[in-house]
Amino acid sequence: EVQLVESGGGLVQPGRSLRLSCAASGFTFDDYAMHWVRQAPGKGLEWVSGISWDSGKIGYADSVKGRFTISRDNAKNSLYLQMNSLRGGDSALYYCAKDRYRSGPLHFDYWGQGTLVTVSS
Amino acid sequence: QSALTQPPSASGSPGQSVTISCTGTSSDVGGYNYVSWYQQHPGKAPKLIISEVTKRPSGVPDRFSGSKSGNTASLTVSGLQAEDEADYYCSSYAGSDSLVFGGGTKLTVL
Repeated sequence: EVQLVESGGGLVQPGRSLRLSCAASGFTFDDYAMHWVRQAPGKGLEWVSGISWDSGKIGYADSVKGRFTISRDNAKNSLYLQMNSLRGGDSALYYCAKDRYRSGPLHFDYWGQGTLVTVSS
Repeated sequence: QSALTQPPSASGSPGQSVTISCTGTSSDVGGYNYVSWYQQHPGKAPKLIISEVTKRPSGVPDRFSGSKSGNTASLTVSGLQAEDEADYYCSSYAGSDSLVFGGGTKLTVL
């Protein structure tokens, strides 16, 4: 059974940093691209960032480019999102999502339950 | 990276069909056959119901179908059931290793 478990969310002050993690199991992690998607309370989905199976291709939404860094450790079956210079607009539930393909972002066939990030003073 | 345009709401009675549109540009929806649709029930994670414009993942009822014409993709739900009441989001590859979602459509089963 595919499982994606996010962690690392919490309350953080504007301008500070936070690192999210996603532990994957139930599939061959290094065969697929992985992504972070966020959803502000009561709002729609926003793709944040994605990374190919071998970390050779990385993409970011314009809203986070230069502030967020995605990475993965295939030996640990883990995905990460380093979030710096956080703003109020970054407050959201952050989902980890598996792509159907090695490179993406294309189609997300499995999602975690999300980790909540709240940016507030 | 502008969001794709979806109607905020749609509705239909049980047994009826409803179609939700998703309009983008030639740089996303019109330029690639990488349109997906997701269903999200309240408090739950999104679920992939259509990929590559028309493909249904295993386990998704054939009441759900997708299509595309030019810069507009569509999701049709036939034979509406109560459990189809949810939010629906489209997405499309947008080039340069990026992806864009639609704003979402709340489907109400009357």
